[in-house]
Amino acid sequence: AQSVTQPDIHITVSEGASLELRCNYSYGATPYLFWYVQSPGQGLQLLLKYFSGDTLVQGIKGFEAEFKRSQSSFNLRKPSVHWSDAAEYFCASRANAGKSTFGDGTTLTVKP
Amino acid sequence: NAGVTQTPKFQVLKTGQSMTLQCAQDMNHEYMSWYRQDPGMGLRLIHYSVGAGITDQGEVPNGYNVSRSTTEDFPLRLLSAAPSQTSVYFCASSSLPRDTQYFGPGTRLTVL
Repeated sequence: AQSVTQPDIHITVSEGASLELRCNYSYGATPYLFWYVQSPGQGLQLLLKYFSGDTLVQGIKGFEAEFKRSQSSFNLRKPSVHWSDAAEYFCASRANAGKSTFGDGTTLTVKP
Repeated sequence: NAGVTQTPKFQVLKTGQSMTLQCAQDMNHEYMSWYRQDPGMGLRLIHYSVGAGITDQGEVPNGYNVSRSTTEDFPLRLLSAAPSQTSVYFCASSSLPRDTQYFGPGTRLTVL
C-alpha cells in the first residue's frame, strides 16, 4: 500500500527566506508524485508533479521539488518566500486505477 | 470550461438525515474521486470511479454511497448522517489514472 508522510505539521519562515517542505513516500513501483497548495477556505491547486525523467521539477509560483529515489523523498523548495505563500501544502502520490494518497499537510506561516 | 463544480457549498444536517452532494465536471475526464478533509488529517479517499458505471471504495467508504451513470456526474450520498461525517468534502477528476487531479471548491458539511 502506498503512503505519504509529511513530517512537519507547521513551519514558520520569514519573508524572503528560503523554504523546504519535506515529503516521504512509500510505494513499490515508480510513484507519481504531486504537491498541492490550499489557501484557507479554498480547494487544492497543483504546484508541480513528477512522473519520470528529470528529478528536479519546476512548478508554478517559483516552487521546485526534487525526487530522490534513494531517500524516498520529494521535497518542495522555494528560494525566497513571499507573504502570499502562507497556506497549507499537501504532498500526494497516485497509484494505478486512480487511487491517491495524501500526506497530512504542512501549514506554512510567513513572518513579515 | 467550468472545471469541477460542487453543490451545495455549505450544508447543515441533523443526525439521521440523508442528502446527496453533487459533483460535475465538463472536461470529459474518466476518473473521478471523492475525498473528505478533516483538520490535521489531510485528504482521505472515500470512493472513486474509473469511468461511467464503475466505482470502487477508497480508504473511508462507510456511510457513503456513489454511482456514476454519466461521465460528467459523480454524486456522493450520505445515507444516514452522523456527527462524525462533519467535514469538508472535495470532488476531483482527472483524464488518466495517474495524472493531475482537478479539484472542486468543496462542500462544508455540518451534522448536528
